[in-house]
Amino acid sequence: QKEVEQDPGPLSVPEGAIVSLNCTYSNSAFQYFMWYRQYSRKGPELLMYTYSSGNKEDGRFTAQVDKSSKYISLFIRDSQPSDSATYLCAMSLQGAQKLVFGQGTRLTINP
Amino acid sequence: GAVVSQHPSWVICKSGTSVKIECRSLDFQATTMFWYRQFPKQSLMLMATSNEGSKATYEQGVEKDKFLINHASLTLSTLTVTSAHPEDSSFYICSALISGALDQPQHFGDGTRLSIL
Repeated sequence: QKEVEQDPGPLSVPEGAIVSLNCTYSNSAFQYFMWYRQYSRKGPELLMYTYSSGNKEDGRFTAQVDKSSKYISLFIRDSQPSDSATYLCAMSLQGAQKLVFGQGTRLTINP
Repeated sequence: GAVVSQHPSWVICKSGTSVKIECRSLDFQATTMFWYRQFPKQSLMLMATSNEGSKATYEQGVEKDKFLINHASLTLSTLTVTSAHPEDSSFYICSALISGALDQPQHFGDGTRLSIL
């Protein structure tokens, strides 16, 4: 079993739809949770960064962390074609910075 | 802020040659940098953790003599792929942590696409 599980997709939705991306994990010691967006042949770009459980909103993006269920989510509202990319979840232990990544979900927003 | 630059962005070379990839933090000091490898349609796999002024820490299964890492300053880490072969072809990405900001996320460069013929 992988430490972090993420459905690789691909996921295709129409423009304007709400997108839900999810990851589950097995290590209850993870404290820091991140979502990165990666365009083809580019490095990951940080979208959301949360500590412990709770919600965080930034513009059209909302990140949720449920530590009791070991489950994290990223919601994208009013999705745009420019949101088409691979979305990677990542997490780390408190006080340590070694990231463990999910496999990444390939998302396509159709105009 | 927190910009990480990688150079070159793409390199093609013959089998048997050595290739050096640079990772620079442009607007902050980075005591710690990380090197990742990514195969097509796969996630990032950590290769090694690089700390300024000390030896890098390699992940299990990564050949330290094959992938030489040097972190000689607070803004520059280099990865040298020695005697590269076609199986070393991959996308190499570095990231950096802002010095002193232990609870802040890693900032990634744009990656280097390495093709060995």
